[in-house]
Amino acid sequence: KAGVTQTPRYLIKTRGQQVTLSCSPISGHRSVSWYQQTPGQGLQFLFEYFSETQRNKGNFPGRFSGRQFSNSRSEMNVSTLELGDSALYLCASSFLGKVNTEAFFGQGTRLTVV
Amino acid sequence: GNSVTQMEGPVTLSEEAFLTINCTYTATGYPSLFWYVQYPGEGLQLLLKATKADDKGSNKGFEATYRKETTSFHLEKGSVQVSDSAVYFCALSDLDTGNQFYFGTGTSLTVIP
Repeated sequence: KAGVTQTPRYLIKTRGQQVTLSCSPISGHRSVSWYQQTPGQGLQFLFEYFSETQRNKGNFPGRFSGRQFSNSRSEMNVSTLELGDSALYLCASSFLGKVNTEAFFGQGTRLTVV
Repeated sequence: GNSVTQMEGPVTLSEEAFLTINCTYTATGYPSLFWYVQYPGEGLQLLLKATKADDKGSNKGFEATYRKETTSFHLEKGSVQVSDSAVYFCALSDLDTGNQFYFGTGTSLTVIP
């Protein structure tokens, strides 16, 4: 069974640009969550999608957005990039999105903003 | 609100030493508790979990017991190996916040031969 796939693995962008990251969950998983990981702030929750609907959102500015498609694949978008957006962005998928279900993480997309 | 407090690192141990990484939590509901491990350049992998009080999660020689009375979920291993070198994250999720995970700050473990 294939794991969670995130593309691309690495990205370098310039301040002010926008970026789109992609996540393909494990087959059959309908819940997809996104996290930002930085050395200073650790792992912070961005948002969760379940059956194409955003169910939960973390404390991030509106420049961070996401969506989920009917095949459960998800994208997140960051507009007007800032230097502080440099981070590892992790996607996690869960089966049916029920509580107590562990999340399976992808390898992440390393975003560097210069 | 929900939060996880984890023992600060880094931790350096000799091979075959005993490992304990402390984790305590605050939760408004009835959380499930997890330990995840992250190897360099990789995402997070589930190490073990416990879904209710007094449950013991175990995997690859690692163990953690869900202690509701002390709101703790300490990770232990009796004899660490060099291959256990990684960053360990304690985490919780609960009914009130759906599938959102709250993570501790992570503890870096280095095992030397």
